[in-house]
Amino acid sequence: SQELEQSPQSLIVQEGKNLTINCTSSKTLYGLYWYKQKYGEGLIFLMMLQKGGEEKSHEKITAKLDEKKQQSSLHITASQPSHAGIYLCGADSPGNTPLVFGKGTRLSVIA
Amino acid sequence: DAGVTQSPTHLIKTRGQQVTLRCSPKSGHDTVSWYQQALGQGPQFIFQYYEEEERQRGNFPDRFSGHQFPNYSSELNVNALLLGDSALYLCASSRSGANVLTFGAGSRLTVL
Repeated sequence: SQELEQSPQSLIVQEGKNLTINCTSSKTLYGLYWYKQKYGEGLIFLMMLQKGGEEKSHEKITAKLDEKKQQSSLHITASQPSHAGIYLCGADSPGNTPLVFGKGTRLSVIA
Repeated sequence: DAGVTQSPTHLIKTRGQQVTLRCSPKSGHDTVSWYQQALGQGPQFIFQYYEEEERQRGNFPDRFSGHQFPNYSSELNVNALLLGDSALYLCASSRSGANVLTFGAGSRLTVL
């Protein structure tokens, strides 16, 4: 079965700083999904990547999928307190399999 | 347009009891998936319902069962509760064939 490893497990950054979160798969990725979760709440969809080398941006968040489709990164530019939360990567396989998630990266942004 | 709604938001049960959690999917969605998220962990897939049938199931015991109604809403039932069943239970909906899930806020179950 597919396993996703996220790093770092937690991250504390000063407001205005840039940061990167990584997601590494044990198998070639078919679809890679990034979600954000406020503590104890539901997940909010951020972006989906499917093609090797693909890059998508939304506001100050950029997600990339490497050419080999085994690793994805999420980059936040000029972090703000509103970026704080848990970032989760999820992946599926061909045949509409259910999403498998990593354990998440907890981000704190301090003033 | 309402998103995914779940009820109850919080509940406390004792070991051996049974619990039912409810989910209404986002308008236009016909597929409902349930996930269990233990503290500090990522969501674990329980099962998925489409056209009132269980389409896929994760590695969970038979104590976990579900149902989908004709209006696409769904229930998750857990029998013979164990302390380890304490978790946030997330419902997610989607259109059939799509894996972009819309999640509800979850039901937090505490088993004492």
